[in-house]
Amino acid sequence: DVKVTQSSRYLVKRTGEKVFLECVQDMDHENMFWYRQDPGLGLRLIYFSYDVKMKEKGDIPEGYSVSREKKERFSLILESASTNQTSMYLCASSPGGWGVRYEQYFGPGTRLTVT
Amino acid sequence: KNEVEQSPQNLTAQEGEFITINCSYSVGISALHWLQQHPGGGIVSLFMLSSGKKKHGRLIATINIQEKHSSLHITASHPRDSAVYICAVLTISSGSARQLTFGSGTQLTVLP
Repeated sequence: DVKVTQSSRYLVKRTGEKVFLECVQDMDHENMFWYRQDPGLGLRLIYFSYDVKMKEKGDIPEGYSVSREKKERFSLILESASTNQTSMYLCASSPGGWGVRYEQYFGPGTRLTVT
Repeated sequence: KNEVEQSPQNLTAQEGEFITINCSYSVGISALHWLQQHPGGGIVSLFMLSSGKKKHGRLIATINIQEKHSSLHITASHPRDSAVYICAVLTISSGSARQLTFGSGTQLTVLP
């Protein structure tokens, strides 16, 4: 079974703090994604990576950065947390290539509260 | 206009009822996913469809590619079906990577 793990289930941070959210997958997937999920807005893509050291902006990258130094690990960084970044953050991974069934595997999520 | 629209946003049903959730989309490359999210956050994939109909237990998913519309049906609903159901359409990023564009989800509550 594919396993995607996230470093924390719940996190409380203060405004202005630097926040790191870590995601690790164990299936050698090429693609990894960071989403935030807010009521009524659904899942919105922040950033994704299709290879080590490669990244691409999603729909809402402002206020976030990412790092992918190893294939299995994808980090989301909030340089200076703000209250409007209070949300559920979900990481996902998927295989690359075009010859395989496409599916994303999700981590359990991190509920971040910025006070 | 949202690229992937779901209806209804919220749905409450009595145990045993037949349930339908709809998804219309304006983007995508002819593959659509239905996902389930239980309280606590975990998301699991239910179906991937590119044509016709798929059935898994009490769940049935249909898709009409020409009309860009899909439905998820639950027969003989049960309280354990209570969850958020999300449809997502396969799209291509500017970097030519496959990714999903999501609807906002349907919160289903099945009462005993």
